[in-house]
Amino acid sequence: QKEVEQNSGPLSVPEGAIASLNCTYSDRGSQSFFWYRQYSGKSPELIMFIYSNGDKEDGRFTAQLNKASQYVSLLIRDSQPSDSATYLCAVNGRGSQGNLIFGKGTKLSVKP
Amino acid sequence: EAGVTQFPSHSVIEKGQTVTLRCDPISGHDNLYWYRRVMGKEIKFLLHFVKESKQDESGMPNNRFLAERTGGTYSTLKVQPAELEDSGVYFCASSQVGGTPLHFGNGTRLTVT
Repeated sequence: QKEVEQNSGPLSVPEGAIASLNCTYSDRGSQSFFWYRQYSGKSPELIMFIYSNGDKEDGRFTAQLNKASQYVSLLIRDSQPSDSATYLCAVNGRGSQGNLIFGKGTKLSVKP
Repeated sequence: EAGVTQFPSHSVIEKGQTVTLRCDPISGHDNLYWYRRVMGKEIKFLLHFVKESKQDESGMPNNRFLAERTGGTYSTLKVQPAELEDSGVYFCASSQVGGTPLHFGNGTRLTVT
């Protein structure tokens, strides 16, 4: 079983729709959860982090965490073509604080 | 604030040669990390410096990889001798005290032929 799993996509949504990105993780001891956005050839950019069960909202983005189900998701409301990118889910590993375990990423395409 | 910078952006070397990658973290960030992504795989942790000390090097694949951070500022990652399977994108990241969130550089794309 992979440690962090994401659907590779591509996920295609029309402009203005809600994009829903999902991630599951295997280590029940994980405490910190991150969503990074990566444009082709660019660095991963942190867009959301969540530590507690429930929802966390920031602008058009909402992260949802369910530790019992070992599931974390990212919702993007009013999707824009500029949101088209690969979204990486990352979970803290058992090593040092910044030892993150990444999923392979979900490629999102927002069609005008 | 300048971000994390990495040099070179691309490197093409032959099997058996040596390559040194450099990372300049965000000023004031004590934590510096190296990650890499080989083709088709996820980004994987290599190691973590706190200032000049190696805090966690559990992800280093073998002793052909040597990371240094003399003086606790920039870091280098040397691969000697390079093998074909070392090809990939090497990312550096830095963070303030506390460890997260991580700020990533654009990466160095290494191709070993």
